[in-house]
Amino acid sequence: DAGVIQSPRHEVTEMGQEVTLRCKPISGHNSLFWYRQTMMRGLELLIYFNNNVPIDDSGMPEDRFSAKMPNASFSTLKIQPSEPRDSAVYFCASSLVGMGVYEQYFGPGTRLTVT
Amino acid sequence: AQTVTQSQPEMSVQEAETVTLSCTYDTSESNYYLFWYKQPPSRQMILVIRQEAYKQQNATENRFSVNFQKAAKSFSLKISDSQLGDTAMYFCAFRGSNYKLTFGKGTLLTVNP
Repeated sequence: DAGVIQSPRHEVTEMGQEVTLRCKPISGHNSLFWYRQTMMRGLELLIYFNNNVPIDDSGMPEDRFSAKMPNASFSTLKIQPSEPRDSAVYFCASSLVGMGVYEQYFGPGTRLTVT
Repeated sequence: AQTVTQSQPEMSVQEAETVTLSCTYDTSESNYYLFWYKQPPSRQMILVIRQEAYKQQNATENRFSVNFQKAAKSFSLKISDSQLGDTAMYFCAFRGSNYKLTFGKGTLLTVNP
């Protein structure tokens, strides 16, 4: 089992630049989640996809953030333009909704630093 | 909205001893799921144990067990025979009908040799 794959693992960028984070969910899972983890706010859900369709994006902080899931095996989270307050660890998680408990399996995260 | 509270920011335990991490939650839903996740220094989020609210029996996974008190909305994690590899941040999480995971702030557990 490959697990959830995220890239890059680390990203350092300058304020104003565009940042794209990538995620490959576990094969066969039908739901994908993007989370952000910071010391101040802990773990927050940004957006949730089910069958490639965004279901809940109420956690997306502002219009600078956008997420897409063009197919069942790939998702991106884009920040444009990036700001220092976007510095955080971004996690992608996937789940098989409709088959029981629906536990979520997390990727290794992307540590984003915006200078 | 659901809330999850972990009242112990940090805890420590001696190797081979038992430790209990506390978690309380607030919800108006009757059917939900509770989870404990472990985050070691590698920052990988690892599922430790889960509990379905409709089950009265407490979940157990090897050295990890929970004490689920539905009426009190309490969901504590007991780690028996603590090992150095158990050193990590532990997060309690709630999932209701909307599939969202709501996390507590976490408890940093240090296992001392």
